[in-house]
Amino acid sequence: AQSVTQPDIHITVSEGASLELRCNYSYGATPYLFWYVQSPGQGLQLLLKYFSGDTLVQGIKGFEAEFKRSQSSFNLRKPSVHWSDAAEYFCAVSTGANNLFFGTGTRLTVIP
Amino acid sequence: DVKVTQSSRYLVKRTGEKVFLECVQDMDHENMFWYRQDPGLGLRLIYFSYDVKMKEKGDIPEGYSVSREKKERFSLILESASTNQTSMYLCATRTSGTEQFFGPGTRLTVL
Repeated sequence: AQSVTQPDIHITVSEGASLELRCNYSYGATPYLFWYVQSPGQGLQLLLKYFSGDTLVQGIKGFEAEFKRSQSSFNLRKPSVHWSDAAEYFCAVSTGANNLFFGTGTRLTVIP
Repeated sequence: DVKVTQSSRYLVKRTGEKVFLECVQDMDHENMFWYRQDPGLGLRLIYFSYDVKMKEKGDIPEGYSVSREKKERFSLILESASTNQTSMYLCATRTSGTEQFFGPGTRLTVL
């Protein structure tokens, strides 16, 4: 069965520092991969997605993610975090059709 | 832009009440989904619908039902609300691709 692991429940970074959020998945083939962000009290917004091709994908708000097949990982990165990036981040995996499996989320706190 | 709206942002109901959560989308998407979100558990799929009057159970359908009479509207029904159904409920839509578009969520409290 498919599963998604986000090992970090909560991360705190200083404004301007770099950020990496980890995501590992379990699936036999290459799935479709997503990162979503949820600001407090809001729904989920898609940051970026990987379907195929270049393993480094660019998203909105200056985020990028790298797909590493050998590590079954799809980590999210940002070179310089802004206070407005404080939110909860979800990695998700789809094998097609009508399924989307979510990780348990990583809450990001940004300190001035 | 895809717009997914949910009828209420916050809802408080009593145990045993029948609760309706409504979701409306304006992009003519075939597929619609209901998730619940709980701390430490991420999002879990309750039901989805791939066409009008068609529905499929997700991972946690117990205690819920759904209705899709029109393409743009997908309702989640709690026949007899219980306190363990206190949660954030998120609606999403999808067209032919895999990306899902989410509504703002309804935070339901059952007392």
